[in-house]
Amino acid sequence: SQTIHQWPATLVQPVGSPLSLECTVEGTSNPNLYWYRQAAGRGLQLLFYSIGIDQISSEVPQNLSASRPQDRQFILSSKKLLLSDSGFYLCAWTPQGGTGEQYFGPGTRLTVT
Amino acid sequence: QQQVKQSPQSLIVQKGGISIINCAYENTAFDYFPWYQQFPGKGPALLIAIRPDVSEKKEGRFTISFNKSAKQFSLHIMDSQPGDSATYFCAASHRSGGYNKLIFGAGTRLAVHP
Repeated sequence: SQTIHQWPATLVQPVGSPLSLECTVEGTSNPNLYWYRQAAGRGLQLLFYSIGIDQISSEVPQNLSASRPQDRQFILSSKKLLLSDSGFYLCAWTPQGGTGEQYFGPGTRLTVT
Repeated sequence: QQQVKQSPQSLIVQKGGISIINCAYENTAFDYFPWYQQFPGKGPALLIAIRPDVSEKKEGRFTISFNKSAKQFSLHIMDSQPGDSATYFCAASHRSGGYNKLIFGAGTRLAVHP
């Protein structure tokens, strides 16, 4: 069966510091991968999606970037965090060629102080 | 056109009652309509989903009703339990640029009182 992991689970970082969040998927090959952000009590905002290694698209311009160094690994990064980067970051995957179902990871709670 | 409008924003139901959450969309290209359940501090979990070729799908106490002509769909939770207290998101999806893009509603916070 497929499993999606995210780490760290929680993170507190000062403004201006770098960021690296990692997501890995097990039990599938060549998945589509997604990064979302969820502000407190709010909906989900799609940040990046990837249909393959080094194939990444950004949904909204922002202080973040994403990379996919391996087939089942997706990384969210920032060089300098802003207070507004605080939130709950979720990674998700869909089967390549799938029919719409999207599966989410456990999330990372980021607090920028 | 890409929006999915969800209501109500919050809902309080007594144990054993029926919880109903509604969503509406505009884009007729959407071809997959899932519902997600999210508990505090957890990632959303796929609960149930429907495609526009059927008007209803039932899984246990959860039912999706789909009205293609009205471009509306709803989630019904029968015999609601305190353990159902969570935030529910509807979504709509269509394939674009080699991937399935999910558009989420704003969410409904459900509280089931014992």
